Amino acid sequence: QKEVEQDPGPLSVPEGAIVSLNCTYSNSAFQYFMWYRQYSRKGPELLMYTYSSGNKEDGRFTAQVDKSSKYISLFIRDSQPSDSATYLCAMRVNTGGFKTIFGAGTRLFVKA
Amino acid sequence: GAVVSQHPSWVICKSGTSVKIECRSLDFQATTMFWYRQFPKQSLMLMATSNEGSKATYEQGVEKDKFLINHASLTLSTLTVTSAHPEDSSFYICSARPRGMVAGNTIYFGEGSWLTVV
Repeated sequence: QKEVEQDPGPLSVPEGAIVSLNCTYSNSAFQYFMWYRQYSRKGPELLMYTYSSGNKEDGRFTAQVDKSSKYISLFIRDSQPSDSATYLCAMRVNTGGFKTIFGAGTRLFVKA
Repeated sequence: GAVVSQHPSWVICKSGTSVKIECRSLDFQATTMFWYRQFPKQSLMLMATSNEGSKATYEQGVEKDKFLINHASLTLSTLTVTSAHPEDSSFYICSARPRGMVAGNTIYFGEGSWLTVV
């Protein structure tokens, strides 16, 4: 079993839809949770960074962490064609050495 | 906005040779820089974290002697792939955290460098 599971998609939605992207993990020691957006053949962009359970909102993006269920989500409201990209979740733990694990990434297509 | 530049954008080298990739923060000082590797259609893998003036901290499973990282100044970090082999062919990306920023959100990524070892 992978430490971080993320459905690769692709996920196709109409413009304006609410998008839900999810990751599950098995290591309860993960302390930090991140979401990145990566356009094709480009470097990734850090979207959200959280270290506790609950919700964190930034513009149209909301990151949700549920440590009890080992489940994290990224919600995109009023999705735009420019949101079409691959979204990667990542998790980090700082005990006994640094360890950061990325999800496989979910390809999102927002249709105009 | 803050810009992180990587050079070269792509490089082809012969098996057994070493290749150096530079990561520069153009308009800010970066106390911490990160190096990642990404294989085609696969996810990112964090390789190491480098702090200016000190040794890099490598992620578990990354060969320190294979991937040499130097962070000699607040605007430059280099990754040297030593004795490169075809399996080292990948997309290498750096990111930088501005000086004074502790929160994880403030990280800027370079555009990446494609390495092909033949």
